[in-house]
Amino acid sequence: AQSVTQLDSHVSVSEGTPVLLRCNYSSSYSPSLFWYVQHPNKGLQLLLKYTSAATLVKGINGFEAEFKKSETSFHLTKPSAHMSDAAEYFCVVNDMRFGAGTRLTVKP
Amino acid sequence: DTAVSQTPKYLVTQMGNDKSIKCEQNLGHDTMYWYKQDSKKFLKIMFSYNNKELIINETVPNRFSPKSPDKAHLNLHINSLELGDSAVYFCASSQDLMGGFHSEANVLTFGAGSRLTVL
Repeated sequence: AQSVTQLDSHVSVSEGTPVLLRCNYSSSYSPSLFWYVQHPNKGLQLLLKYTSAATLVKGINGFEAEFKKSETSFHLTKPSAHMSDAAEYFCVVNDMRFGAGTRLTVKP
Repeated sequence: DTAVSQTPKYLVTQMGNDKSIKCEQNLGHDTMYWYKQDSKKFLKIMFSYNNKELIINETVPNRFSPKSPDKAHLNLHINSLELGDSAVYFCASSQDLMGGFHSEANVLTFGAGSRLTVL
């Protein structure tokens, strides 16, 4: 069985500071991993995906994530938060099961 | 031209009623899904169909019955609605299911959601 654990249910940052949203996975084989974003009262959108080509994956809106097999992690980062980044973020492993989500709040 | 469309967007109904939510995708994908998102934003996969065949059937009350008349449609029928069924239901599709390691095939495209309120 495969699963993901999002380590923080809520992360709060100030605008212009770095963002780190943590995700650990469990898989018996090399997984595909995804981050999706859900803005308030909106549907879900793919941010980025890891499918083996490179361990550092760049996504939309300046987000990136690094696949670390030794740490079984796929943390999402962004160098500088923007107010529009406030949303719910989900880490997903390739059998389409979602993590519990991390709510990102961005303070002015 | 919406890729994954769900109807209705809002549904308010009484306990005990039967209701359906429809989903259609025009992406030519082989796999469709239903997810339930509760008030705490937790997204739980309910069902998945691949080419009209049921692939994933999570622990869901059998009051919930998916129907896939063709691979472009996956409808969700709910019998004897209960208060706890109130949630947002998302339909999604992907090119394939567990398409493997190199997988564009696993990328999900979501509908806008259907908010069900049971009174």
